[in-house]
Parts: sequence; C-alpha cells; structure tokens
Amino acid sequence: GAVVSQHPSRVICKSGTSVKIECRSLDFQATTMFWYRQFPKQSLMLMATSNEGSKATYEQGVEKDKFLINHASLTLSTLTVTSAHPEDSSFYICSAPGLAGVNEQFFGPGTRLTVL
Amino acid sequence: AQSVSQHNHHVILSEAASLELGCNYSYGGTVNLFWYVQYPGQHLQLLLKYFSGDPLVKGIKGFEAEFIKSKFSFNLRKPSVQWSDTAEYFCAVNARGDSWGKLQFGAGTQVVVTP
Repeated sequence: GAVVSQHPSRVICKSGTSVKIECRSLDFQATTMFWYRQFPKQSLMLMATSNEGSKATYEQGVEKDKFLINHASLTLSTLTVTSAHPEDSSFYICSAPGLAGVNEQFFGPGTRLTVL
Repeated sequence: AQSVSQHNHHVILSEAASLELGCNYSYGGTVNLFWYVQYPGQHLQLLLKYFSGDPLVKGIKGFEAEFIKSKFSFNLRKPSVQWSDTAEYFCAVNARGDSWGKLQFGAGTQVVVTP
C-alpha cells in the first residue's frame, strides 16, 4: 500500500520556539493531506485540511496563526507549531487519501512533540 | 452536532474469546464508515470500510463489521481473538458531503488480549 512518512518522529523544544513537522507521501501524489492531533489516551482530532497550492482549511477552534500549514508540493505538507507552549505537547499525525477509487486513507507514523 | 461514539474505552479478554466493539454515529446524511487499528508503537491501519452494498463487511485479520442504518451503528466483531489483537481500535466516519478523507474519529477502545 501507499506510504506516508513524517519527520521528525520525536521533537523536544523549549517554550516559545517554533517547530516544523513534515508529512510526505512517498509513492503517490496527494493534493490533499490532513493533520490530526492525538492527546494521550484520546482520539484523533482533525486540525486542518492541507491543500496543495492553496490555503489550508482549519477546523473550528484551531488557531491558524498558531498552526501554520504549507502544502508546497504534491508530496509534501508541513505543519509549523509557532511559539510552542507546553499545552501544545501532543502527538501529531498526518494522512493522505489514496488514489482515486482506492477509497483509503493512509496515515503517517506520527510526531511526538514535547514542549518544555 | 456530528459525533462518533465508541461505547467501551477498555476491553480485556482472553485469547479465543469473541470480541465486539460498538460504534454509533450521529450524522444527518450519508456516511462512509471505517474501523482503524493502532498497534502499540505503530501507525493507524485500516481494518475495514463500508461505503455501500452489503452491510456486513469483512476486513483483514478476521475482523468484520455490520452497518445497521436504522441504529446508526457500525459494530466491529471478531469471533476468536489472539494475543496479537492487543491494540487500540478506532471507529471513524467520513460524511459524504465532506471532502474525501476528512474523518471524524471515535474516542477509541483499548483492547487487551491476555494469553
């Protein structure tokens, strides 16, 4: 099946710094990708839809200036957590839809962000 | 409001026991339904999906799920679990009006299978 990678897998940063997380579709193109956030022992919450060549669409309650999304190419979307604070510590997961007709979503392995 | 509910947060059972995990959704229109599994330390994997047709769908690793439209339910079942089925299981819904791939997840059920 299709593979989605994320980098880094873990990151620890100081409060106030910005962190960039990459999501790549390795063997297929994705005009759309999705960013989720997963708190410990909780479900995935959709944060935003990343659209190649246009602005991301954010879910209600997600600060777009806090979580900057750039979908610069058909295989890469980046999520930048700006001025990170401890409450931003979480597991961030991206996904990409498979090819038309496949009807499957492929998930990345996630990035564990810890803000000190 | 649209929502996905999973009834059990934790399930502990012995090998060879049968498993059933409940999932109910609240959406006004037509939906696509999914069950995903997350094994310890691994990323989400698709177990099975329902789009249309036969409401009883079979997935990988012996799992199946039944869509009951009148009950807004999509329960997951496995007749005989193995230790390797220890994982977290998520029900997810994609509303047909939403962009393809936009999923709303249930809270998840942690399943522990004891030898």
